[in-house]
Amino acid sequence: DGGITQSPKYLFRKEGQNVTLSCEQNLNHDAMYWYRQDPGQGLRLIYYSQIVNDFQKGDIAEGYSVSREKKESFPLTVTSAQKNPTAFYLCASSDGQGGRGYTFGSGTRLTVV
Amino acid sequence: GENVEQHPSTLSVQEGDSAVIKCTYSDSASNYFPWYKQELGKGPQLIIDIRSNVGEKKDQRIAVTLNKTAKHFSLHITETQPEDSAVYFCAARGNRGSTLGRLYFGRGTQLTVWP
Repeated sequence: DGGITQSPKYLFRKEGQNVTLSCEQNLNHDAMYWYRQDPGQGLRLIYYSQIVNDFQKGDIAEGYSVSREKKESFPLTVTSAQKNPTAFYLCASSDGQGGRGYTFGSGTRLTVV
Repeated sequence: GENVEQHPSTLSVQEGDSAVIKCTYSDSASNYFPWYKQELGKGPQLIIDIRSNVGEKKDQRIAVTLNKTAKHFSLHITETQPEDSAVYFCAARGNRGSTLGRLYFGRGTQLTVWP
């Protein structure tokens, strides 16, 4: 079955450490997205990529970095520069301009202690 | 870019009653409007969508209406059940320039259905 996989489901890190969240899709989608979700804040876009080897900043990109070396993969690194990294992170993919919106992964809950 | 407003932020109904969630959007060029349901600890799942050339779409107990002139769209759930309890997000898809293909989300509605 085609889908989008995020790993790990739960992640704990010490303050000041960088951490990378994995997102893989086998839907042959061109576009991929990273969102951050905090209680009462809805979905806030961090970064998105519409094609391999290209990506754009979203609304809250500071303290995060991404890469898109393969169509299937869009890892997100939460750097030590992110002031409040504890949150639920969601990855999504779409076929770009048409299609039926986004397919979301099941999320990674990051806790920084 | 596009701006999507969603109301109410919380909604409580008795089992069997109907629930309505409303959204407005700002860019008249937006052409696709999906609704997502998110259960606790999970990713959002698409439950219904509507394109700008259609005014209403129904799928069993859920329906969506779109008023392009007023730039608003609504989700209607009839005969609600406890398992409908979740956070619901509306979205509008950008259709020009840098917004092309990108979904803009409302802030979500926490629906609680009491048995």
